[in-house]
Amino acid sequence: GQQVMQIPQYQHVQEGEDFTTYCNSSTTLSNIQWYKQRPGGHPVFLIQLVKSGEVKKQKRLTFQFGEAKKNSSLHITATQTTDVGTYFCAGLITSYDKVIFGPGTSLSVIP
Amino acid sequence: DAGITQSPRHKVTETGTPVTLRCHQTENHRYMYWYRQDPGHGLRLIHYSYGVKDTDKGEVSDGYSVSRSKTEDFLLTLESATSSQTSVYFCAISYLLPGLAGGRRVDTQYFGPGTRLTVL
Repeated sequence: GQQVMQIPQYQHVQEGEDFTTYCNSSTTLSNIQWYKQRPGGHPVFLIQLVKSGEVKKQKRLTFQFGEAKKNSSLHITATQTTDVGTYFCAGLITSYDKVIFGPGTSLSVIP
Repeated sequence: DAGITQSPRHKVTETGTPVTLRCHQTENHRYMYWYRQDPGHGLRLIHYSYGVKDTDKGEVSDGYSVSRSKTEDFLLTLESATSSQTSVYFCAISYLLPGLAGGRRVDTQYFGPGTRLTVL
Protein backbone atom coordinates (compact mmCIF):
# COMPACT_ATOMS: atom_id res chain seq x y z
CA GLY A 1 0.00 0.00 0.00
CA GLN A 2 0.88 3.65 0.00
CA GLN A 3 3.64 4.54 2.42
CA VAL A 4 5.18 7.70 3.72
CA MET A 5 8.46 7.22 5.56
CA GLN A 6 10.50 9.57 7.69
CA ILE A 7 14.08 9.54 8.88
CA PRO A 8 15.48 9.71 11.41
CA GLN A 9 13.02 8.32 13.95
CA TYR A 10 14.77 10.16 16.78
CA GLN A 11 17.24 13.02 16.90
CA HIS A 12 18.99 14.51 19.90
CA VAL A 13 20.76 17.81 19.32
CA GLN A 14 22.54 20.36 21.43
CA GLU A 15 20.73 23.66 21.61
CA GLY A 16 21.97 25.85 18.76
CA GLU A 17 22.70 22.96 16.41
CA ASP A 18 20.76 22.47 13.20
CA PHE A 19 18.22 19.69 12.63
CA THR A 20 16.82 18.08 9.50
CA THR A 21 14.11 15.46 9.02
CA TYR A 22 13.41 13.78 5.70
CA CYS A 23 10.14 12.48 4.33
CA ASN A 24 9.86 10.00 1.46
CA SER A 25 6.85 8.61 -0.33
CA SER A 26 6.54 5.50 -2.46
CA THR A 27 4.16 7.36 -4.78
CA THR A 28 3.84 10.85 -6.17
CA LEU A 29 2.13 13.29 -3.85
CA SER A 30 -0.29 16.07 -4.70
CA ASN A 31 0.94 18.02 -1.71
CA ILE A 32 2.92 17.59 1.47
CA GLN A 33 2.01 18.94 4.87
CA TRP A 34 4.08 19.25 8.00
CA TYR A 35 2.81 19.06 11.55
CA LYS A 36 4.40 19.50 14.95
CA GLN A 37 3.27 17.69 18.09
CA ARG A 38 4.57 18.79 21.45
CA PRO A 39 4.91 16.10 24.15
CA GLY A 40 1.44 15.32 25.50
CA GLY A 41 -0.23 17.48 22.88
CA HIS A 42 -1.95 17.08 19.57
CA PRO A 43 -0.52 17.57 16.06
CA VAL A 44 -0.58 21.16 14.89
CA PHE A 45 -0.39 22.13 11.24
CA LEU A 46 2.76 24.01 10.24
CA ILE A 47 2.75 24.35 6.47
CA GLN A 48 1.68 22.89 3.14
CA LEU A 49 3.79 22.59 -0.02
CA VAL A 50 2.15 22.01 -3.37
CA LYS A 51 4.54 22.77 -6.21
CA SER A 52 7.46 20.69 -7.41
CA GLY A 53 10.70 22.09 -5.98
CA GLU A 54 8.86 24.48 -3.68
CA VAL A 55 10.73 25.99 -0.74
CA LYS A 56 9.03 27.82 2.11
CA LYS A 57 10.44 29.39 5.23
CA GLN A 58 8.96 30.11 8.63
CA LYS A 59 11.54 31.94 10.72
CA ARG A 60 14.16 29.28 11.49
CA LEU A 61 12.25 26.49 9.71
CA THR A 62 12.82 25.72 6.02
CA PHE A 63 10.56 23.31 4.16
CA GLN A 64 11.32 21.79 0.77
CA PHE A 65 9.27 19.71 -1.65
CA GLY A 66 11.26 17.56 -4.05
CA GLU A 67 11.25 17.97 -7.81
CA ALA A 68 9.58 14.60 -8.29
CA LYS A 69 7.04 15.36 -5.54
CA LYS A 70 8.00 12.19 -3.71
CA ASN A 71 10.12 13.64 -0.95
CA SER A 72 10.31 16.57 1.38
CA SER A 73 12.48 17.91 4.15
CA LEU A 74 12.20 20.15 7.18
CA HIS A 75 15.32 21.95 8.35
CA ILE A 76 15.55 23.88 11.61
CA THR A 77 18.43 26.29 12.01
CA ALA A 78 19.90 26.87 15.46
CA THR A 79 17.48 24.74 17.44
CA GLN A 80 15.91 26.01 20.63
CA THR A 81 14.27 24.13 23.49
CA THR A 82 10.91 25.30 22.16
CA ASP A 83 11.51 23.16 19.06
CA VAL A 84 11.17 19.95 21.10
CA GLY A 85 8.48 17.64 19.80
CA THR A 86 7.63 15.22 17.04
CA TYR A 87 7.51 16.43 13.47
CA PHE A 88 5.21 14.63 11.06
CA CYS A 89 5.00 14.90 7.33
CA ALA A 90 1.72 14.00 5.65
CA GLY A 91 1.24 13.51 1.96
CA LEU A 92 -1.90 13.70 -0.11
CA ILE A 93 -1.85 10.75 -2.45
CA THR A 94 -3.91 11.67 -5.47
CA SER A 95 -5.13 8.23 -6.44
CA TYR A 96 -6.08 7.43 -2.86
CA ASP A 97 -7.47 10.92 -2.15
CA LYS A 98 -6.35 10.66 1.46
CA VAL A 99 -3.65 12.19 3.55
CA ILE A 100 -1.08 9.62 4.73
CA PHE A 101 1.05 10.50 7.73
CA GLY A 102 4.66 9.52 8.16
CA PRO A 103 5.74 7.93 11.47
CA GLY A 104 7.33 11.17 12.67
CA THR A 105 10.74 12.33 13.85
CA SER A 106 11.08 12.99 17.56
CA LEU A 107 13.41 15.91 18.31
CA SER A 108 15.06 16.40 21.67
CA VAL A 109 17.05 19.55 22.33
CA ILE A 110 19.68 19.50 25.07
CA PRO A 111 20.08 22.93 26.73
CA ASP B 1 -8.20 24.72 17.49
CA ALA B 2 -11.21 24.66 15.16
CA GLY B 3 -13.58 24.15 18.08
CA ILE B 4 -12.95 20.43 18.48
CA THR B 5 -13.46 18.59 21.73
CA GLN B 6 -13.09 14.91 22.52
CA SER B 7 -14.60 12.89 25.32
CA PRO B 8 -13.58 11.20 27.41
CA ARG B 9 -9.99 12.42 27.54
CA HIS B 10 -8.83 9.29 29.36
CA LYS B 11 -10.40 5.88 29.69
CA VAL B 12 -9.35 2.56 31.11
CA THR B 13 -11.47 -0.42 30.22
CA GLU B 14 -11.31 -4.20 30.14
CA THR B 15 -10.97 -6.52 27.17
CA GLY B 16 -14.31 -7.38 25.64
CA THR B 17 -16.20 -4.30 26.76
CA PRO B 18 -17.73 -1.82 24.30
CA VAL B 19 -16.27 1.67 24.20
CA THR B 20 -17.52 4.80 22.46
CA LEU B 21 -15.41 7.89 21.93
CA ARG B 22 -16.99 11.17 20.98
CA CYS B 23 -15.71 13.97 18.83
CA HIS B 24 -17.62 17.23 18.89
CA GLN B 25 -17.05 20.27 16.70
CA THR B 26 -18.77 23.62 16.87
CA GLU B 27 -17.94 25.08 13.46
CA ASN B 28 -20.08 22.98 11.11
CA HIS B 29 -17.19 21.37 9.23
CA ARG B 30 -18.13 18.71 6.74
CA TYR B 31 -15.09 16.43 6.95
CA MET B 32 -14.21 14.59 10.15
CA TYR B 33 -11.63 11.91 10.81
CA TRP B 34 -10.60 9.43 13.47
CA TYR B 35 -6.92 8.53 13.82
CA ARG B 36 -5.01 6.37 16.22
CA GLN B 37 -1.48 7.19 17.23
CA ASP B 38 1.02 4.53 18.28
CA PRO B 39 4.79 4.75 18.73
CA GLY B 40 6.60 4.09 15.49
CA HIS B 41 3.43 4.26 13.40
CA GLY B 42 2.54 7.92 13.47
CA LEU B 43 -1.10 8.69 12.82
CA ARG B 44 -3.20 6.08 11.09
CA LEU B 45 -6.65 6.77 9.72
CA ILE B 46 -9.40 4.59 11.16
CA HIS B 47 -12.56 6.03 9.61
CA TYR B 48 -13.64 9.31 8.17
CA SER B 49 -16.85 11.12 7.35
CA TYR B 50 -17.70 13.49 4.54
CA GLY B 51 -21.14 14.40 5.78
CA VAL B 52 -24.02 13.31 7.96
CA LYS B 53 -24.46 9.55 7.62
CA ASP B 54 -21.65 9.45 5.03
CA THR B 55 -18.67 7.53 6.34
CA ASP B 56 -15.91 5.37 4.94
CA LYS B 57 -13.06 3.18 6.11
CA GLY B 58 -9.48 4.18 6.57
CA GLU B 59 -6.37 2.02 6.65
CA VAL B 60 -6.95 0.46 10.10
CA SER B 61 -10.73 0.13 10.36
CA ASP B 62 -11.00 -3.48 11.58
CA GLY B 63 -12.61 -3.63 15.03
CA TYR B 64 -13.99 -0.09 14.80
CA SER B 65 -17.26 1.40 13.67
CA VAL B 66 -18.38 5.01 13.39
CA SER B 67 -21.55 7.01 13.23
CA ARG B 68 -22.39 10.56 12.31
CA SER B 69 -26.03 11.41 12.83
CA LYS B 70 -25.36 15.14 13.28
CA THR B 71 -22.82 17.41 11.65
CA GLU B 72 -21.22 18.28 14.96
CA ASP B 73 -20.70 14.77 16.35
CA PHE B 74 -18.58 11.89 15.06
CA LEU B 75 -18.59 8.78 17.25
CA LEU B 76 -16.02 6.01 17.23
CA THR B 77 -17.09 2.67 18.71
CA LEU B 78 -15.01 -0.30 19.68
CA GLU B 79 -17.62 -3.04 19.85
CA SER B 80 -15.42 -5.37 21.90
CA ALA B 81 -12.21 -3.72 22.97
CA THR B 82 -8.91 -5.60 22.71
CA SER B 83 -5.50 -4.82 24.19
CA SER B 84 -4.21 -4.02 20.69
CA GLN B 85 -6.60 -1.07 20.65
CA THR B 86 -4.77 0.60 23.50
CA SER B 87 -3.74 3.85 21.88
CA VAL B 88 -4.21 7.58 21.72
CA TYR B 89 -7.15 8.49 19.52
CA PHE B 90 -7.36 11.80 17.73
CA CYS B 91 -10.29 13.32 15.97
CA ALA B 92 -9.63 15.81 13.19
CA ILE B 93 -11.54 18.01 10.80
CA SER B 94 -10.74 19.54 7.49
CA TYR B 95 -12.37 22.51 5.87
CA LEU B 96 -14.44 22.87 2.74
CA LEU B 97 -13.82 26.06 0.84
CA PRO B 98 -16.87 27.33 -1.03
CA GLY B 99 -16.62 27.35 -4.76
CA LEU B 100 -17.77 25.74 -7.95
CA ALA B 101 -19.05 22.18 -7.98
CA GLY B 102 -19.78 22.03 -4.28
CA GLY B 103 -16.56 23.49 -3.04
CA ARG B 104 -12.97 22.38 -2.65
CA ARG B 105 -11.75 20.37 0.30
CA VAL B 106 -8.78 21.78 2.13
CA ASP B 107 -6.63 18.85 3.16
CA THR B 108 -5.08 20.41 6.23
CA GLN B 109 -6.09 18.47 9.30
CA TYR B 110 -7.00 20.23 12.54
CA PHE B 111 -6.87 17.93 15.51
CA GLY B 112 -8.73 17.62 18.75
CA PRO B 113 -6.91 17.15 22.08
CA GLY B 114 -7.01 13.34 21.92
CA THR B 115 -8.32 10.48 24.03
CA ARG B 116 -5.94 8.10 25.77
CA LEU B 117 -7.52 4.65 25.86
CA THR B 118 -6.09 1.75 27.81
CA VAL B 119 -7.56 -1.72 27.37
CA LEU B 120 -6.52 -4.13 30.11
